[in-house]
Amino acid sequence: SQQGEEDPQALSIQEGENATMNCSYKTSINNLQWYRQNSGRGLVHLILIRSNEREKHSGRLRVTLDTSKKSSSLLITASRAADTASYFCATELYGNNRLAFGKGNQVVVIP
Amino acid sequence: GAGVSQSPSNKVTEKGKDVELRCDPISGHTALYWYRQRLGQGLEFLIYFQGNSAPDKSGLPSDRFSAERTGESVSTLTIQRTQQEDSAVYLCASRLGVLGNTIYFGEGSWLTVV
Repeated sequence: SQQGEEDPQALSIQEGENATMNCSYKTSINNLQWYRQNSGRGLVHLILIRSNEREKHSGRLRVTLDTSKKSSSLLITASRAADTASYFCATELYGNNRLAFGKGNQVVVIP
Repeated sequence: GAGVSQSPSNKVTEKGKDVELRCDPISGHTALYWYRQRLGQGLEFLIYFQGNSAPDKSGLPSDRFSAERTGESVSTLTIQRTQQEDSAVYLCASRLGVLGNTIYFGEGSWLTVV
């Protein structure tokens, strides 16, 4: 089964609003990562949060991790048109070599 | 190099032909990954190289797919006798060391099989 599954929704928001995406997973993880992908090409790493961390910030991005619920959220504050992209979460397990990706969340920020 | 470099960016091939996709990882990165992404889908793990260890090939979908890596440098992903369902973006990524370090992706090679 696939680790790291985002809520299967497409978000369409106005510029300046906040966007929240969720991700759930099934087994214990070492870390969880969020990536952004523009136009179906390369992925850009956003934030890595380790299993012993609960919250992390990077600029306008805030990631939370709840290991008891096996879920994570990505919040983009004060969204901009340039934030329009697909956002993926990916989990990394102990003793495993791969990042397991979810299907992605498409976010459209309307100027 | 400054980032992960992949070539070609785009490839159109006829069904039944073989294709080779190339990946130049970031210099010094010991780990290298190949993923496949079909249109509108998530990333499917294909294969993982770590230094001189035996690669993890568990994600390769069939024996038509193979990959090689020379030491800690260039990797090639080969798809033999291509099928239309092989059409996808093939993404390469690399990182320094193992668990927990940031993984850097290339821009991908878009393969279309006609």
